[in-house]
Amino acid sequence: AQSVSQHNHHVILSEAASLELGCNYSYGGTVNLFWYVQYPGQHLQLLLKYFSGDPLVKGIKGFEAEFIKSKFSFNLRKPSVQWSDTAEYFCALDSSNTGKLIFGQGTTLQVKP
Amino acid sequence: GAGVSQSPSNKVTEKGKDVELRCDPISGHTALYWYRQRLGQGLEFLIYFQGNSAPDKSGLPSDRFSAERTGESVSTLTIQRTQQEDSAVYLCASSLGAPGMNYGYTFGSGTRLTVV
Repeated sequence: AQSVSQHNHHVILSEAASLELGCNYSYGGTVNLFWYVQYPGQHLQLLLKYFSGDPLVKGIKGFEAEFIKSKFSFNLRKPSVQWSDTAEYFCALDSSNTGKLIFGQGTTLQVKP
Repeated sequence: GAGVSQSPSNKVTEKGKDVELRCDPISGHTALYWYRQRLGQGLEFLIYFQGNSAPDKSGLPSDRFSAERTGESVSTLTIQRTQQEDSAVYLCASSLGAPGMNYGYTFGSGTRLTVV
């Protein structure tokens, strides 16, 4: 069965630190990959997505992610986090075979001012 | 509409009562999804509609849960005889097409259900 795994459940960083959140998936076919963010008290918002083409995708608010097919990974990065990046981050995938968007368990990011 | 609208935003109900949650997707979005998010956990898939039919009901946790969609628009998720473990945020999302067709998903703000 297809699945998404986020290894870091809770990350605490100081402002200006660099961020990398891990995301691995298990599915051998063609996939679309997504990162969503949920700020406190708000709904899920799309940060970035990968459908095809350049494996390095840039999203909103300075976030980027790299699709590495050989590692089944889609890690999220940001060179310098801000306090306002405090939120929960979800990695997800879909494909014509999954029939649905499958989420990882989420990573809570806390940025200390 | 401009976004996915869910109502009510909050619902407190007594154990054993039935509840109905509503989702209005973005106009023209043929695909509609329901997810459940329990406190401190990820998003759990419940059901997927393509048009008015549900090709995937695999995530519904029990026969107390049902959902329907009419007019390729509004969907309602019904939970009968609610239990405390049903307490969660129920999220709805819509998309222009089927999974894997390179369309994004737009999520609503959710309905926070509390069963007391």
